[in-house]
Amino acid sequence: EPEVTQTPSHQVTQMGQEVILRCVPISNHLYFYWYRQILGQKVEFLVSFYNNEISEKSEIFDDQFSVERPDGSNFTLKIRSTKLEDSAMYFCASKDRGTTGELFFGEGSRLTVL
Amino acid sequence: AQSVTQPDIHITVSEGASLELRCNYSYGATPYLFWYVQSPGQGLQLLLKYFSGDTLVQGIKGFEAEFKRSQSSFNLRKPSVHWSDAAEYFCAVRFMEYGNKLVFGAGTILRVKS
Repeated sequence: EPEVTQTPSHQVTQMGQEVILRCVPISNHLYFYWYRQILGQKVEFLVSFYNNEISEKSEIFDDQFSVERPDGSNFTLKIRSTKLEDSAMYFCASKDRGTTGELFFGEGSRLTVL
Repeated sequence: AQSVTQPDIHITVSEGASLELRCNYSYGATPYLFWYVQSPGQGLQLLLKYFSGDTLVQGIKGFEAEFKRSQSSFNLRKPSVHWSDAAEYFCAVRFMEYGNKLVFGAGTILRVKS
């Protein structure tokens, strides 16, 4: 069964460092998402991406965050200068069609900022 | 703002007993409704979804959910719980009038006692 894969599974970084989280969505999917889950809290939407541009973003997704689909298969989330409060599990998801398609989630990348 | 409420943070049931996890959402004319399960250290797995049609939907692992528009609810049920069902369960809603993103509830942690 096709799946969304994410790397790394766990990354530890120092505050102020740049981090790139990588995702390989399911190959025929067209919509891509990043969500995050701070420990003990709910899963929160960060950003959605379609047709090579951001289609929607939350207030969490400030100028420190960016997304890119550099090569037609990877979908990356970059955090430019990490803060302690960026520590969370980051989930990538993809979807094939706009209206009724379900989101398929990866297993997440745990980011720990020290 | 669009919101999803799961009023029970923790639920403990005995193995073999029935289960109902509650989910309510804020008003939306066209909600698309989902239940996801997350085992410790794992990603989000889709249990079932409702888009339209029969309001009682069947999912994987013996779960079902019923959409009640009058109550803005989408409660998850299972007639007989197994120890392997212990996990965290998230209700999620896509409000079609408000874009393509999923809004998650805070989750319900299910403990199963033998």
